[in-house]
Amino acid sequence: GENVEQHPSTLSVQEGDSAVIKCTYSDSASNYFPWYKQELGKRPQLIIDIRSNVGEKKDQRIAVTLNKTAKHFSLHITETQPEDSAVYFCAARMIQGAQKLVFGQGTRLTINP
Amino acid sequence: NAGVTQTPKFQVLKTGQSMTLQCAQDMNHNSMYWYRQDPGMGLRLIYYSASEGTTDKGEVPNGYNVSRLNKREFSLRLESAAPSQTSVYFCASIRTSGREQYFGPGTRLTVT
Repeated sequence: GENVEQHPSTLSVQEGDSAVIKCTYSDSASNYFPWYKQELGKRPQLIIDIRSNVGEKKDQRIAVTLNKTAKHFSLHITETQPEDSAVYFCAARMIQGAQKLVFGQGTRLTINP
Repeated sequence: NAGVTQTPKFQVLKTGQSMTLQCAQDMNHNSMYWYRQDPGMGLRLIYYSASEGTTDKGEVPNGYNVSRLNKREFSLRLESAAPSQTSVYFCASIRTSGREQYFGPGTRLTVT
């Protein structure tokens, strides 16, 4: 089955700097890679996703890159703001079939003013 | 349109007690999921239901049972609660060939 590894587990950056979170997956059949943001005491919410036929996707200050050959994908947040502080999860699944989403362990991002 | 709802929000059980966590979605989604979230462990899949009438085990099914009552509702039952089941439980749903998995607000369960 699919296994997703996420690094780092904690990340602290100065406001305005960039943050990068990296994930690797094991199942080459996975073709959909979402990123979720979870604020304290809240439910996870989708912030950006990428399909395997695309190498990069950007939405304002956040971007995701995918290297299918290496089975790596990364989340990039630029010009970080205090409201970016949260736990971020990567995930992987096949977009067809049973659609089981396998999550990474999470990264606690802290933005220091 | 309430999305995914879960009841109860909080629950405290004694070891050995049983309870059922309820989940419902009003988005006509086919697939529904139960996850547990422990500190530092991310979200781990307990059981899922790809469509009405089917259920399958996920990564951590031991100690749990599920029922897909109809297309809207997917319940999770703990027959004999143990302290190791102390966790936050999230229900989620997705439409067929959909992308975004929608999560419920979660149930915080403590087993003493």
